[in-house]
Amino acid sequence: EPEVTQTPSHQVTQMGQEVILRCVPISNHLYFYWYRQILGQKVEFLVSFYNNEISEKSEIFDDQFSVERPDGSNFTLKIRSTKLEDSAMYFCASTPASLTASFGSGELFFGEGSRLTVL
Amino acid sequence: DAKTTQPTSMDCAEGRAANLPCNHSTISGNEYVYWYRQIHSQGPQYIIHGLKNNETNEMASLIITEDRKSSTLILPHATLRDTAVYYCIVRVAGTGANNLFFGTGTRLTVIP
Repeated sequence: EPEVTQTPSHQVTQMGQEVILRCVPISNHLYFYWYRQILGQKVEFLVSFYNNEISEKSEIFDDQFSVERPDGSNFTLKIRSTKLEDSAMYFCASTPASLTASFGSGELFFGEGSRLTVL
Repeated sequence: DAKTTQPTSMDCAEGRAANLPCNHSTISGNEYVYWYRQIHSQGPQYIIHGLKNNETNEMASLIITEDRKSSTLILPHATLRDTAVYYCIVRVAGTGANNLFFGTGTRLTVIP
């Protein structure tokens, strides 16, 4: 069964360092997402991406964050200068169709996450 | 912000049906109800969704009240592997993206 894969599974970094989290969405999917979950807290939406541009972003997704689809398979989240409060599990997700366009499955396929620890 | 209200936690005996309620009294006419779950700290997993009709798939059934202000997710024969946090989500009508906003969910514990 196709799945979303994320690397690394765990990254430890020093405050102020840049981090890139990588995701390989399911191959025929069109929308890509990043969510994060601080330990013990809710799963929070960060950003959605479609047709090589950001569709929507949350207040959390400030200038420190950026996303990119550098080739036909990878989808990356970059944090330019990490802060202690960026420590969290970061989940990538993808979906094959737009809910508003086709009211399709509405099923987001999530990866297993990348745990980021900022020291 | 999440537009749903769920109990914080529930227990269910293994093999019995687990009935997880959700209130979404401000749901709009074109908004769907989605259910996801998160096992331990894994990525959320889609379970089922519906608009106004009851739905069933291999994982669960979704019962939506006629006024659409509440719904119930039913796991017909709960197993230990169903222990997870279950999220009821009303999709926010947006500009074209499929963003889902998670609340705090219901922590379901299946007891042997």
